Amino acid sequence: AQKITQTQPGMFVQEKEAVTLDCTYDTSDPSYGLFWYKQPSSGEMIFLIYQGSYDQQNATEGRYSLNFQKARKSANLVISASQLGDSAMYFCAMRERGTYKYIFGTGTRLKVLA
Amino acid sequence: NAGVTQTPKFQVLKTGQSMTLQCAQDMNHEYMSWYRQDPGMGLRLIHYSVGAGITDQGEVPNGYNVSRSTTEDFPLRLLSAAPSQTSVYFCASSYSTRTSGEAGDTQYFGPGTRLTVL
Repeated sequence: AQKITQTQPGMFVQEKEAVTLDCTYDTSDPSYGLFWYKQPSSGEMIFLIYQGSYDQQNATEGRYSLNFQKARKSANLVISASQLGDSAMYFCAMRERGTYKYIFGTGTRLKVLA
Repeated sequence: NAGVTQTPKFQVLKTGQSMTLQCAQDMNHEYMSWYRQDPGMGLRLIHYSVGAGITDQGEVPNGYNVSRSTTEDFPLRLLSAAPSQTSVYFCASSYSTRTSGEAGDTQYFGPGTRLTVL
């Protein structure tokens, strides 16, 4: 069965520094997609970045990059040059080809310090 | 282009009452889904739909019904509300249901409905 694990319930980072949020996943399907979402205190879910299981390169979107290590089944989110507005909950999610279901991790709460 | 809209934003129910949470999208997405978010538990899938007339259960379907008569709308019905259904409910949609490992899988979320059952 597919599973997403986020082992860091909370993280602190100094403004302008980089931070890595961990995500590991478990699946037996060779084809899947991995996603990261941001949930600020206002509550909406904001899509950040996507990585396909067959993508050769790590995904990047502005200050966000996804460190995809397929053999280790990890999909860590890297935020460079952290800003105060990055303080939020971050969720990792996955969808397998064989199902129509997405599953989410329990999230990591990031606090950026001035 | 409004994206995914949800109504109401807030709702308070008494135990045993029924209600419908509305969800609509204007992106012609095939796939729509409902999640509930409880503290410390991330998002859990309640029901989903891969197209008009087709629905299926997710991880936590008990106590909820759905139907999908049009591509745009995917309402969630609480049959007899219970305090355990106090949660934040999110509706989401995505373009692709036939493939995975592609960016078309990306789900876009509505703003959420905060439901309290007394």
